[in-house]
Amino acid sequence: GNSVTQMEGPVTLSEEAFLTINCTYTATGYPSLFWYVQYPGEGLQLLLKATKADDKGSNKGFEATYRKETTSFHLEKGSVQVSDSAVYFCALRSGSGNTGKLIFGQGTTLQVKP
Amino acid sequence: DVKVTQSSRYLVKRTGEKVFLECVQDMDHENMFWYRQDPGLGLRLIYFSYDVKMKEKGDIPEGYSVSREKKERFSLILESASTNQTSMYLCASTQAVTLYGYTFGSGTRLTVV
Repeated sequence: GNSVTQMEGPVTLSEEAFLTINCTYTATGYPSLFWYVQYPGEGLQLLLKATKADDKGSNKGFEATYRKETTSFHLEKGSVQVSDSAVYFCALRSGSGNTGKLIFGQGTTLQVKP
Repeated sequence: DVKVTQSSRYLVKRTGEKVFLECVQDMDHENMFWYRQDPGLGLRLIYFSYDVKMKEKGDIPEGYSVSREKKERFSLILESASTNQTSMYLCASTQAVTLYGYTFGSGTRLTVV
């Protein structure tokens, strides 16, 4: 079945460091891929998405490229800020119509220190 | 902006009480979902609905039921709350097309004492 694997956290970085959070997936067909962010005490917010191979999603300085050959969708940011401290979820949605439920990774906690 | 509104941010209930968690979305989405989130366990799907009056069990439906009488509203019901249902509950909605992700509400942190 479909699945998403994220690197385990927590990830602790200093402000202005480079961030990579790895995400790989297993899916049949051509899934859409997503990154969500959850700030403390809040619900999940869509951060970025890509719907086909080689697409690059980007938002708020974060980027991720849909790599079909390596089945990956790694999240990157060139210079993190304290305000980026949150839990990040990689997810995929595949199938058609009503069967296309979102499959989440386990989440990666990022802590950015000043 | 699509909005998913959960009726309460924080809720404290007693063991054995019947608890209703309400979720309303304003973008005419077909699909709605209830998740619970616990430390170390990630997001677990409780129930979902593809249409009015339709519901399907997710991964952990025991102890819960749902109601969807109108397209915009999806209610989660704890028939007899127990302490192991203390959790963060997240509602989400989406269109049927798989190009789209889900839109989540802000969550309800339920404590059962």
